Amino acid sequence: DADVTQTPRNRITKTGKRIMLECSQTKGHDRMYWYRQDPGLGLRLIYYSFDVKDINKGEISDGYSVSRQAQAKFSLSLESAIPNQTALYFCATSSPGEERSNQPQHFGDGTRLSIL
Amino acid sequence: AQKITQTQPGMFVQEKEAVTLDCTYDTSDQSYGLFWYKQPSSGEMIFLIYQGSYDEQNATEGRYSLNFQKARKSANLVISASQLGDSAMYFCAMREGRNFNKFYFGSGTKLNVKP
Repeated sequence: DADVTQTPRNRITKTGKRIMLECSQTKGHDRMYWYRQDPGLGLRLIYYSFDVKDINKGEISDGYSVSRQAQAKFSLSLESAIPNQTALYFCATSSPGEERSNQPQHFGDGTRLSIL
Repeated sequence: AQKITQTQPGMFVQEKEAVTLDCTYDTSDQSYGLFWYKQPSSGEMIFLIYQGSYDEQNATEGRYSLNFQKARKSANLVISASQLGDSAMYFCAMREGRNFNKFYFGSGTKLNVKP
């Protein structure tokens, strides 16, 4: 089983719909992240959470919201989807890394979201 | 200013040859980490190699090595003996900040390995 699981893997929906992307992890990491990837732009951070009570906006949080339901679960919502939110969405986790910088982020396999 | 810059949107390399993917970074932190990820066409992000800012030796992992030049703030990935399966997007990333709580990614380089 994957350490970081994203559901769904693919989703096609219409403009104006509310969508939730879910992420769960078995790595025991406190930190979880949501990114979107657009062609030629790399990954951009939407939201991140360092524990259940800590939620932070990233670079491009407008139009998105998140919920950290438990240490292992971090969901991303698009309240009213629009076509320019069509992208590949990644969830990632990391350990705190205090005094150590060598902990990479561990990614889920991504969710391909298309908004028509 | 961009934190991570990858200036090569696309590259070609002949199978069995070595290739260098460029990455420069911008930070004022003394302690930070640099990472490379591979993203094949299937989309998943695969962690390849790590270099710490205090590491004196360049990191190596199998056919991957990281050419770390701290004064120039560059962290180039070298892939030796390229294989067809190396065709993918490659992302350079940096971890910095208090408690190393910030990650930044470059825009990626698409590598095509020719038979």
